[in-house]
Amino acid sequence: DAEITQSPRHKITETGRQVTLACHQTWNHNNMFWYRQDLGHGLRLIHYSYGVQDTNKGEVSDGYSVSRSNTEDLPLTLESAASSQTSVYFCASSESAGGAGPGNEQFFGPGTRLTVL
Amino acid sequence: SQELEQSPQSLIVQEGKNLTINCTSSKTLYGLYWYKQKYGEGLIFLMMLQKGGEEKSHEKITAKLDEKKQQSSLHITASQPSHAGIYLCGADIEPSSASKIIFGSGTRLSIRP
Repeated sequence: DAEITQSPRHKITETGRQVTLACHQTWNHNNMFWYRQDLGHGLRLIHYSYGVQDTNKGEVSDGYSVSRSNTEDLPLTLESAASSQTSVYFCASSESAGGAGPGNEQFFGPGTRLTVL
Repeated sequence: SQELEQSPQSLIVQEGKNLTINCTSSKTLYGLYWYKQKYGEGLIFLMMLQKGGEEKSHEKITAKLDEKKQQSSLHITASQPSHAGIYLCGADIEPSSASKIIFGSGTRLSIRP
């Protein structure tokens, strides 16, 4: 069955370190997204990609970067981890080639809980 | 997102009772999605609504879209412990923007035995 996986599931790191969170999907979806989920803020979009070599900034992109070298993977990198980046991170993917409607629903990975000390 | 408001923020209901969760957008809705999240897990897609007046069901969960009010309601009939979790609505508010969805802050549902 097609799926979307994230690794690691839990990560503890120190302030200033570079951290990379992996996201891998076997849906063959064009679109991939990274969100962070925090109490009181819900899900906020960090970065997204509509295809290989395409990346775009979301509403909370400062301090994060992504690269899309193939269809299946969209790794999220924290260049220099800060305590404010302690959060639960979710990766998602969708099929839609454009516009709202069927195929635009996103499928989510299980999440990565990141703690920055 | 403040563009998408959910109510109530939390809800405790007796097992077997019915309940309703609302999701209201401050902008035109081009698609409305309902998700369920259990603690420590990812979001599970429940259903999508697109047309005004549309109603869909998933097991004992029914969602409706009121296009005029820019609102969707999610109704659970005869609630069970398995319904407990966080329900999030998501919305397409930009018709030409492929795939971007904004999310509400969620409704935490607890079922009392």
